[in-house]
Amino acid sequence: KAGVTQTPRYLIKTRGQQVTLSCSPISGHRSVSWYQQTPGQGLQFLFEYFSETQRNKGNFPGRFSGRQFSNSRSEMNVSTLELGDSALYLCASSLDSGGLPPGNTIYFGEGSWLTVV
Amino acid sequence: QKEVEQNSGPLSVPEGAIASLNCTYSDRGSQSFFWYRQYSGKSPELIMFIYSNGDKEDGRFTAQLNKASQYVSLLIRDSQPSDSATYLCAVKGSNYQLIWGAGTKLIIKP
Repeated sequence: KAGVTQTPRYLIKTRGQQVTLSCSPISGHRSVSWYQQTPGQGLQFLFEYFSETQRNKGNFPGRFSGRQFSNSRSEMNVSTLELGDSALYLCASSLDSGGLPPGNTIYFGEGSWLTVV
Repeated sequence: QKEVEQNSGPLSVPEGAIASLNCTYSDRGSQSFFWYRQYSGKSPELIMFIYSNGDKEDGRFTAQLNKASQYVSLLIRDSQPSDSATYLCAVKGSNYQLIWGAGTKLIIKP
């Protein structure tokens, strides 16, 4: 069974540009979450989608947005990039976010490394 | 604010010894608890989950949950240098949001 796939794996952008990151969840998983991780920092929750609806949102500015498609694939977009947006962006999927494990257990993709120069 | 706390470490343990990692949480309504391992430059990978009070064993790993005292721990027996990593505790709160600890850096000394 294929894991969570994130593309692209590495990218370099210039301040002020925008970026779109893509995530394909594990087959059958309907919940997709996005996280930001900077060096030395913990996981910062961005948002969670389930059945194309945003369920939860973290404390990030409106420049960070996301969406989920009917096939559960998800994208996140960051507009007007800032140097501080340089980070590892992680996508994770689960069957559902409610209930108990293993159904609500999340599995991470390898991440997308974003460098803003 | 719902919180999950871990000692940031580093926790240094001799090879072959037992490594003990602890995590406390504030949301008494939490039902699901997870341990992830993250190597430097890599994404977190699931070690195990637990949702019932008591111990759960998987190979060299044992998760312990005590809901009354609001803590969950991870024991690693026969620690190996390859166990050196940051260990993340995550708790699914009563509002179904997953709250993460900042992680404990574990170093296994040969």
